[in-house]
Amino acid sequence: EPEVTQTPSHQVTQMGQEVILRCVPISNHLYFYWYRQILGQKVEFLVSFYNNEISEKSEIFDDQFSVERPDGSNFTLKIRSTKLEDSAMYFCASSEPTGVGGYTFGSGTRLTVV
Amino acid sequence: GQNIDQPTEMTATEGAIVQINCTYQTSGFNGLFWYQQHAGEAPTFLSYNVLDGLEEKGRFSSFLSRSKGYSYLLLKELQMKDSASYLCAVRRISGSARQLTFGSGTQLTVLP
Repeated sequence: EPEVTQTPSHQVTQMGQEVILRCVPISNHLYFYWYRQILGQKVEFLVSFYNNEISEKSEIFDDQFSVERPDGSNFTLKIRSTKLEDSAMYFCASSEPTGVGGYTFGSGTRLTVV
Repeated sequence: GQNIDQPTEMTATEGAIVQINCTYQTSGFNGLFWYQQHAGEAPTFLSYNVLDGLEEKGRFSSFLSRSKGYSYLLLKELQMKDSASYLCAVRRISGSARQLTFGSGTQLTVLP
């Protein structure tokens, strides 16, 4: 079964450092997303991406965050200057336009900012 | 804005049936999803309703009433491995934007 792949699975970084989280969505999907989940809290929407541009972003997705699809397969989330409160599990997801098959989530990157 | 409510916790016995309710308020509604999430893992898609009625998929069924802003997930013949958090999520469409918003999840514990 096709899957969304995320790397790395764990990342520890110092406060103020830049991190890039990587994702390879399912190949025939057209919509890509980043979500985050702080430990013990709900899954929160960050950003959606379609046709090589951001289609929607949440209040969480401020100027410290950016997304990019540098080639035909990768989809990245960059946090420019990490803060302690950025520590969370970050999930990438992709979907077909109809959403009939649901949004498929990657296994996540656990980011710890120290 | 969007508002999604579901119970925080539920407990049931192995072999039993459990119903997890979800109510929502949103504009641009375009589907309600149920996901299962084990601790430390990614959400896994269970079901999707866009029209009113019941969708059945093996031991899992999901129901939607758009006029009432209400859905439920029904789990039959509960197994220990069904102990997990069950997430209700609403999709909203606005132009090319598609956003899936999650509720806080219902932690289901299945007892022997």
